[in-house]
Amino acid sequence: KQEVTQIPAALSVPEGENLVLNCSFTDSAIYNLQWFRQDPGKGLTSLLLIQSSQREQTSGRLNASLDKSSGRSTLYIAASQPGDSATYLCAVVAGANSKLTFGKGITLSVRP
Amino acid sequence: DAGITQSPRYKITETGRQVTLMCHQTWSHSYMFWYRQDLGHGLRLIYYSAAADITDKGEVPDGYVVSRSKTENFPLTLESATRSQTSVYFCASSDQTGGRNTEAFFGQGTRLTVV
Repeated sequence: KQEVTQIPAALSVPEGENLVLNCSFTDSAIYNLQWFRQDPGKGLTSLLLIQSSQREQTSGRLNASLDKSSGRSTLYIAASQPGDSATYLCAVVAGANSKLTFGKGITLSVRP
Repeated sequence: DAGITQSPRYKITETGRQVTLMCHQTWSHSYMFWYRQDLGHGLRLIYYSAAADITDKGEVPDGYVVSRSKTENFPLTLESATRSQTSVYFCASSDQTGGRNTEAFFGQGTRLTVV
């Protein structure tokens, strides 16, 4: 059974800091990995999708990397801002049925 | 408007009542999913569908029923609501192009309280 882990559960950083959020998964036979953002009381917003054949994806200040063999992904946020405060979830698709398995998320607080 | 919408956004119901949560997507994505989100458990898959008239159980299907007569709609029914089904429910959709899974998109969620 695929398990996705995100540690730590919460993180507080000062504004302007570059930071890395980690995600690990137990079964390396994934189809893709997706990073989401969730604001309090809101739905999930897709940030980046990395296909299994890719090593990284970039969108603005965000860069996500994927190392299938070690079962790890990282989300790099450059020059963090208070508006980046949210919960960040990673999810993997490990089968042809497109089911996502989620980590429990990292709640990020960026202090002004 | 294009996207995935859930209704209602908030619902309070009594124990034992039947309640249906609606989900509609405008992209004609083949896959649709229902997740519930609870503190300490994260997001767990209830049911999913690969196409119209094709549905399958996820991790926590007990007490729920789904149907998918049309590609764009995927309602979730709680046959006899229990307090343990108090949760935030999210619907999602995704597709496959050239054998590759596309991004999954989520609705805004339905907050259900069973009293």
